[in-house]
Amino acid sequence: GESVGLHLPTLSVQEGDNSIINCAYSNSASDYFIWYKQESGKGPQFIIDIRSNMDKRQGQRVTVLLNKTVKHLSLQIAATQPGDSAVYFCAERPSGGYNKLIFGAGTRLAVHP
Amino acid sequence: GAGVSQSPRYKVAKRGQDVALRCDPISGHVSLFWYQQALGQGPEFLTYFQNEAQLDKSGLPSDRFFAERPEGSVSTLKIQRTQQEDSAVYLCASSYGTRSGETQYFGPGTRLLVL
Repeated sequence: GESVGLHLPTLSVQEGDNSIINCAYSNSASDYFIWYKQESGKGPQFIIDIRSNMDKRQGQRVTVLLNKTVKHLSLQIAATQPGDSAVYFCAERPSGGYNKLIFGAGTRLAVHP
Repeated sequence: GAGVSQSPRYKVAKRGQDVALRCDPISGHVSLFWYQQALGQGPEFLTYFQNEAQLDKSGLPSDRFFAERPEGSVSTLKIQRTQQEDSAVYLCASSYGTRSGETQYFGPGTRLLVL
């Protein structure tokens, strides 16, 4: 069935290092992908998105890479800060629907000083 | 408002009770979504509204779940005869329009615990 999964459930990094969070998706018809950050007790917060006709998109300290050949999505965070500690979800939007999102299980990012 | 708000933030119900969860989307947002998030899991789609019309309810787990948005703004998710497996965080999200790629903005969620 359709699913979005993650390779690593927990990622620990040192403050100042770069972080890479990976995600595999299974629906080749999905046309839009998003990364959300969720802190404890809060709802998911939009970080960055990318459409299926792009390979890379950059934001402030974040970059999303999309490899459609292997159906892989990654989020790169530069100079990781303690405030980046949270659970990160990738989500995909299957084309032809009403914009409902399919989320993966999440990766917890722990930033150590 | 400044963002999506939900109430109550926490709800404890005895098994068999009915509950109603409220969502106030961002003013002017046409699209409204409900998701269910089990502990340690990603959110799962429940239902979608475009204005007052419920266009997709494919994610509702049973007929005990009912959602409405009668005036195209505030939405209520009702769960009848709650069961322990209904315990989860219920998230509401809204987006401005209906086009693909519209950013969905999430509320803080309502954490439901069924005893």
